[in-house]
Amino acid sequence: DADVTQTPRNRITKTGKRIMLECSQTKGHDRMYWYRQDPGLGLRLIYYSFDVKDINKGEISDGYSVSRQAQAKFSLSLESAIPNQTALYFCATSDASARGDYGYTFGSGTRLTVV
Amino acid sequence: GEDVEQSLFLSVREGDSSVINCTYTDSSSTYLYWYKQEPGAGLQLLTYIFSNMDMKQDQRLTVLLNKKDKHLSLRIADTDTGDSAIYFCAETYGNQFYFGTGTSLTVIP
Repeated sequence: DADVTQTPRNRITKTGKRIMLECSQTKGHDRMYWYRQDPGLGLRLIYYSFDVKDINKGEISDGYSVSRQAQAKFSLSLESAIPNQTALYFCATSDASARGDYGYTFGSGTRLTVV
Repeated sequence: GEDVEQSLFLSVREGDSSVINCTYTDSSSTYLYWYKQEPGAGLQLLTYIFSNMDMKQDQRLTVLLNKKDKHLSLRIADTDTGDSAIYFCAETYGNQFYFGTGTSLTVIP
């Protein structure tokens, strides 16, 4: 099994719908992150959480919300999806040091299309 | 956030060396990283370099760091088609990573 699992892998949804992307990890890491990837823009941080009681906005949090249900689970919600939220979404984890060999561990991504 | 910049595309012939470049803004970064993203997959850590080093070699990979110019490069020797992917550089600043835009490497057989 993958260390960081994202579900679903692909999703097409309509404008205005609520959608949740889920992430679970078996690394035992405290820190979890949600990024979106757009061509030519790299990865941009949406939200991050350093433990179950800690939630922080990233660079582009507008239109998104998150929930840290447990150390191993971090979900991302789009309350009312819009077409410019069409992107590839990645969940990542790290331990407290997040340095050197540890870095980030990424999930395989969720490709979201909003029509 | 921090600015981490890369060229978007690079094409090389199989067997040649590939050099992917990156510039960053924060001189206090302690670690700089290279990640590889294969089609349909997440990012995988390729290698990293501590900021007090100038060079790190790991098999076919050579990382060069020029702190004065805030320039990081990744050289892949004897490039093969399996190296075709998007390569991201990243720096740590505070408790966060900042990623570049990614360089799409195409290896021509």
